[in-house]
Amino acid sequence: EPEVTQTPSHQVTQMGQEVILRCVPISNHLYFYWYRQILGQKVEFLVSFYNNEISEKSEIFDDQFSVERPDGSNFTLKIRSTKLEDSAMYFCASSELSGTYNEQFFGPGTRLTVL
Amino acid sequence: GNSVTQMEGPVTLSEEAFLTINCTYTATGYPSLFWYVQYPGEGLQLLLKATKADDKGSNKGFEATYRKETTSFHLEKGSVQVSDSAVYFCALVQGAQKLVFGQGTRLTINP
Repeated sequence: EPEVTQTPSHQVTQMGQEVILRCVPISNHLYFYWYRQILGQKVEFLVSFYNNEISEKSEIFDDQFSVERPDGSNFTLKIRSTKLEDSAMYFCASSELSGTYNEQFFGPGTRLTVL
Repeated sequence: GNSVTQMEGPVTLSEEAFLTINCTYTATGYPSLFWYVQYPGEGLQLLLKATKADDKGSNKGFEATYRKETTSFHLEKGSVQVSDSAVYFCALVQGAQKLVFGQGTRLTINP
């Protein structure tokens, strides 16, 4: 069964360093998403991406964040200069279509720890 | 804005007990409602959904009914199993693509 994969499963970095979190969405899906969950808090939407463009982003997704689909299979989230408060579990998701009823399929997450 | 509130965890039950996890939402209009489940080491998986008032979503013995009058979507199961131990997330989506989640409820079932 197709699934969304994410690497690495755990990333430890120093404050101020750049990190790239990687995701491989399901191959025929067109819409891609990043969410994050700070420990003990809600899962929060960061950004959605379609046709090589950001289609929606939250206020969390500031200039320190960027997303890219560098080839036909990967979807990446870059944090330019990490802060302690970026420590969280980051989930990638993809969907075949957009819209109210469409299921988003999630990856297992990358736990980012910023020291 | 839209928001989802679900009951605080963790919840610990014995096998074959009855489960209820409460979920209420705030939204304008008529969102679609979801329950997602996260098993240890895995991603969030869609458990069930309901797209309009009075719809009942069901899957794997779990049920939830979309109650517009109480803005609720409580998750129930009549007899839980050890394999149901996971974190459960209530969520909504309306119009735009983003899911709005509750804080998650960790469920542990003891044999």
